[in-house]
Formats: sequence, C-alpha cells, structure tokens
Amino acid sequence: EDQVTQSPEALRLQEGESSSLNCSYTVSGLRGLFWYRQDPGKGPEFLFTLYSAGEEKEKERLKATLTKKESFLHITAPKPEDSATYLCAVQRGGGADGLTFGKGTHLIIQP
Amino acid sequence: DAEITQSPRHKITETGRQVTLACHQTWNHNNMFWYRQDLGHGLRLIHYSYGVQDTNKGEVSDGYSVSRSNTEDLPLTLESAASSQTSVYFCASSEYVRGTEAFFGQGTRLTVV
Repeated sequence: EDQVTQSPEALRLQEGESSSLNCSYTVSGLRGLFWYRQDPGKGPEFLFTLYSAGEEKEKERLKATLTKKESFLHITAPKPEDSATYLCAVQRGGGADGLTFGKGTHLIIQP
Repeated sequence: DAEITQSPRHKITETGRQVTLACHQTWNHNNMFWYRQDLGHGLRLIHYSYGVQDTNKGEVSDGYSVSRSNTEDLPLTLESAASSQTSVYFCASSEYVRGTEAFFGQGTRLTVV
C-alpha cells in the first residue's frame, strides 16, 4: 500500500525565516512525486513534479528536492503570502493512476 | 483560459437522498478524477476516468458512482447519502495518465444531515 507522510503537521515561521517541509513516501515504482499548495476554501494548486532521485525544481522562494525515500520543500526567506497548506502526493507506475496524498503541512508565515 | 469548475459549491442534503455533484473541464483532458478531503485523512481517490465511457473505482468508492458521456464532464453521484459522506469533494483532470500534474476544481462542500 502506498503511503505518504508529511512533517511537521504545522509550522509557524517569521517572515524571512527559511525552513524545510518533509514528505516521506513508500510506493511501488514511483512514477512521479507532486507538490501542491492549498489555500483555505480552494482546490490544490500545482507547484512541482519530480520524477527521479536527485532531481530538483525551483519556483520563486520554493525549491523541491527528491531522494529515493523522501522529498523536501525548501522555503527561502518566506513572505506572509506563502502561508498555506502544502500537500505532497505520489503516483505509482501500476494499478490506479490517481494520486496518493499526504495529510499536508499547514504553514503560517508571520510578518 | 481553460478551467475546471464544480457545482454546487455548497450543498446540504438529508440522509438517504440521491445527490449529484457536477464537474466540468475545458482543458480537453481525457483523464478526470474525484477526491474527497477530510480532516485527518487528506485527499482520497473516489473514482476516475480515462475517457468517454470509461470509469474506475478508487480507494473509497463505496456509495459513489460516476458516468462519463463526454470529455468535459464527470458527475459524481451519491446513491443514498450518509452522514459519513459529509466532506469536501474535489474534481481534477490531467492530460496524460501518468507522471503529469492534475488540475483541481474549487471543491464542493457537502453536508449530509
């Protein structure tokens, strides 16, 4: 059974205080690992897809990395508008092709 | 701009009633998905479709059904609503089956009383 565990569940940072969110996963034949951002009352918004260990992707203050067991979402010098819930999901190579999601990390950036 | 829309955004229904949630996408994607999101569980896959006339069960499909008569729409039906189906429902679509991102709708908050 595919499993995705995100930590911490919640994180409160000061504006400009860099940190990392963790996503540990167990999946049979990883096809892709996805990061989404979700604002209250809205649907998940796509951020990144990572396909293989060692891959990295960046977008503004966010950088996602991938190893064989986990992924990190690094947030550099965050701003209050980065406050959201960040979701990690995996897709495996066989069987159902929907995504298996973690429970998310609720991030609050205080001015 | 292409988009994916869900309706209604909020609905309250009674136990035992049949309820249908609509999902319409203008991306022209073949693949469409329904998820539910609950506190403590994250998003869980209910049903998905790879194209017209194709439907497949996901992790939590009991009590739900879908039909795909065209590319744009994948309605989700609760045959006989139960309180355990109170949740936020999200529809999503993607271009390819594997390895590409899915785009999500804004969600439907369903309350079964």
